Amino acid sequence: ETGVTQTPRHLVMGMTNKKSLKCEQHLGHNAMYWYKQSAKKPLELMFVYNFKEQTENNSVPSRFSPECPNSSHLFLHLHTLQPEDSALYLCASSQDQNGYTDTQYFGPGTRLTVL
Amino acid sequence: AQSVTQLDSQVPVFEEAPVELRCNYSSSVSVYLFWYVQYPNQGLQLLLKYLSGSTLVKGINGFEAEFNKSQTSFHLRKPSVHISDTAEYFCAVKGGSNYKLTFGKGTLLTVNP
Repeated sequence: ETGVTQTPRHLVMGMTNKKSLKCEQHLGHNAMYWYKQSAKKPLELMFVYNFKEQTENNSVPSRFSPECPNSSHLFLHLHTLQPEDSALYLCASSQDQNGYTDTQYFGPGTRLTVL
Repeated sequence: AQSVTQLDSQVPVFEEAPVELRCNYSSSVSVYLFWYVQYPNQGLQLLLKYLSGSTLVKGINGFEAEFNKSQTSFHLRKPSVHISDTAEYFCAVKGGSNYKLTFGKGTLLTVNP
């Protein structure tokens, strides 16, 4: 595997379900990101992890819970979601050296549908 | 604070015609600029980036962009498009060394035969 991978690619869940999205980067980067892409809206940054520490939580509702066990893996745990949470969720990674963050590389995304 | 404006939400063109996708930005610090492409049902792929140096940047698939500081623009161009270039194109700006990447709303390029 190369680059940034995400699983599953598609997910349909009910509002009472609990599910998790997984992201893995094979680029040796130390920073990882979750973005939400909704129709007709710019990409929204949700969470940032740098050296496994969460450095940004962009006012995301608590029904979204990120986890970064190491610099290669990032999870997004989902519970009691709403239909308006249906979107494409994109993971990205980059290399952060001495406070300078290089180019972000994106995974293929998980298309989430909440019924 | 930084922002990105992509002036056209949709650009239809015929195959082998030239195309320009427009992007303007605002930032209070020096910027790094990016164009990403998103094919249907896929994630974002880096097309090209401007970090410093020559203001004309060449990317993949025959695309290029020119950084114009005085006009705060970073327009994307291709002299002859193919059907396979049909996709959504996103301009993004990063202010200084931090990680915050601000995206435009995207331009849907549709190449017709």
